Amino acid sequence: GAVVSQHPSRVICKSGTSVKIECRSLDFQATTMFWYRQFPKQSLMLMATSNEGSKATYEQGVEKDKFLINHASLTLSTLTVTSAHPEDSSFYICSAGGQGTAGELFFGEGSRLTVL
Amino acid sequence: LAKTTQPISMDSYEGQEVNITCSHNNIATNDYITWYQQFPSQGPRFIIQGYKTKVTNEVASLFIPADRKSSTLSLPRVSLSDTAVYYCLVLGSNSGYALNFGKGTSLLVTP
Repeated sequence: GAVVSQHPSRVICKSGTSVKIECRSLDFQATTMFWYRQFPKQSLMLMATSNEGSKATYEQGVEKDKFLINHASLTLSTLTVTSAHPEDSSFYICSAGGQGTAGELFFGEGSRLTVL
Repeated sequence: LAKTTQPISMDSYEGQEVNITCSHNNIATNDYITWYQQFPSQGPRFIIQGYKTKVTNEVASLFIPADRKSSTLSLPRVSLSDTAVYYCLVLGSNSGYALNFGKGTSLLVTP
């Protein structure tokens, strides 16, 4: 099946710094990618929908100025956590819709962010 | 967006068949039912997808009644490695890829 890759898988940063997470569709073009956040023992929470060549659509309660999303190409979307704080520590997951399938989603491996 | 409801948790012994049912009462005509498996600190992994009746692959079967308001994921002869959280999603291009994960079902398989 299609492959979605995230990088880095783990990142530790100091409070106040910014961190960028990449999400790549390796063998298909993804006009739409999705970013989720997952806290321990909780379900995935959709943060935003990333559309190639246009602005991302953020879910209610997600600060667009804090979580910057860029989808500059059909195979790459990035999530930048700006001025990170310890409460931003979480597991961030991206997904992309598969081409030619009935809405099947392919998920990245996830990125564990720890803010000290 | 179609909302799904699943049992929060299930327990099973190795070698048993496990059936997890998901309710999706307001599923739309163009929506497909998709199940994912997630291990700790990993992204969800696709298990199976179906539209109606029965779908079977090498790891699971998916049973969908005629009204499509529910679906049942069947895992034959589970092993310890099947311990994970299972999510039922209703996905379709018309619904904008309904992406709201419910709480999922935490399956614990013991010897």
